[in-house]
Amino acid sequence: QVQLQESGPGLIKTSETLSLTCSVSGDSISSTPRYWGWVRQPPGRGLEWVGTTYYTGNTFYSPSLKRRVTIFVDTSKNQFSLNLRYVTAADSAVYYCVRQGTFRTQASDYWGQGTPVTVS
Amino acid sequence: QSVLTQPPSVSGAPGQRVTISCTGSTFDIGAGYDVHWYQQFPGTAPKLLIYDNINRPSGVPERFSGSKSDSSASLAISGLQAEDEAHYYCQSYDTRMSGSTVFGGGTKLTVL
Repeated sequence: QVQLQESGPGLIKTSETLSLTCSVSGDSISSTPRYWGWVRQPPGRGLEWVGTTYYTGNTFYSPSLKRRVTIFVDTSKNQFSLNLRYVTAADSAVYYCVRQGTFRTQASDYWGQGTPVTVS
Repeated sequence: QSVLTQPPSVSGAPGQRVTISCTGSTFDIGAGYDVHWYQQFPGTAPKLLIYDNINRPSGVPERFSGSKSDSSASLAISGLQAEDEAHYYCQSYDTRMSGSTVFGGGTKLTVL
């Protein structure tokens, strides 16, 4: 059974760097050729794609966030992480980590439970 | 403003059939990229409902079906049940800006 679990600070101050980690169980990030990503959802609003990483470490980011976001893989821990720099109140959201397919165009079949982040 | 356009809300009585549209452009759905649908209940993570336009993951009832034509896609729910009341999101891929995953703005389904 594949499971994803986000972890990180629930509260962060304006202009700081948000760091979130997704721990994966039931699948191996390093041995399976697929994509892993982050999706966020501001309070009362819809889903927004943040970025995606391939198991090799290649990354792709949302055009609106690419100047501030970094996603990287730690294969030794079977985790991938998100850093979002210079956060503002607009970055307050529930952040989900997701498992995608072998192509970037494919669906996200597994989602973490989400971790809420508030920027104050 | 979302790249993919969905109606903010739809409603139907139990037993009825409803459809939710997802309209894109020649840069995404119209370029041939697949559409996926998610169901989300309040306070929970989205769940994959339809993938690659028409396919249901294991465990999703046959009442849920998807279709795609030109630059649009639709999610149909037949035999509406009270438990179907949720938000529904479509997702596809946008070829611009080195390629991006894009979502619709979401549709709130109310079962009357």
